[in-house]
Amino acid sequence: AQSVAQPEDQVNVAEGNPLTVKCTYSVSGNPYLFWYVQYPNRGLQFLLKYITGDNLVKGSYGFEAEFNKSQTSFHLKKPSALVSDSALYFCAVRATSAGTALIFGKGTTLSVSS
Amino acid sequence: EAEVAQSPRYKITEKSQAVAFWCDPISGHATLYWYRQILGQGPELLVQFQDESVVDDSQLPKDRFSAERLKGVDSTLKIQPAELGDSAMYLCASSLTSGSYTGELFFGEGSRLTVL
Repeated sequence: AQSVAQPEDQVNVAEGNPLTVKCTYSVSGNPYLFWYVQYPNRGLQFLLKYITGDNLVKGSYGFEAEFNKSQTSFHLKKPSALVSDSALYFCAVRATSAGTALIFGKGTTLSVSS
Repeated sequence: EAEVAQSPRYKITEKSQAVAFWCDPISGHATLYWYRQILGQGPELLVQFQDESVVDDSQLPKDRFSAERLKGVDSTLKIQPAELGDSAMYLCASSLTSGSYTGELFFGEGSRLTVL
């Protein structure tokens, strides 16, 4: 069965510092991996995805993610955090055996302090 | 920019009452999803439609939940009767086609349900 793990409930960083939000996955076959962001009482916004190719994927708002097949990880990164990046972040994997729906992790709250 | 429309944004109801949520996906998107997000957790799939057909409803509590997409465009999710444990955010999403495993899902703003 496919699954996603986000080991940290919360990540705290200072503005201007680099940030990393961790994600590991378990999937049979090739993984299709996604990151979404959610602001309070809002829907999920797509940030980036890995399908194939370059292991470093660049996405919206300066975010990027690094796919590591040997470690089954897909960590979200940003070189310099902004206070406005504070939100809830979800990693997701595509469940190819059951259609195109995404399976989401439990989420990681990112808090960026000024 | 095209968006997924959902209504109502907020709904407060008493347990045992009926409640319904509506979703209008992005025009041309054949696949529609309903997810439930309980506070502090990630979204969980309730039902997936391809056009008007159900692709996956294995996690839909069918004794009280129903979903339909009669003309393959907009969709309604109904709960009857509502229970306290149904309090959650109900998210609708759409994607271009189920044949493409590479496409992302586009989410609406969600419907926040509170059952008293």
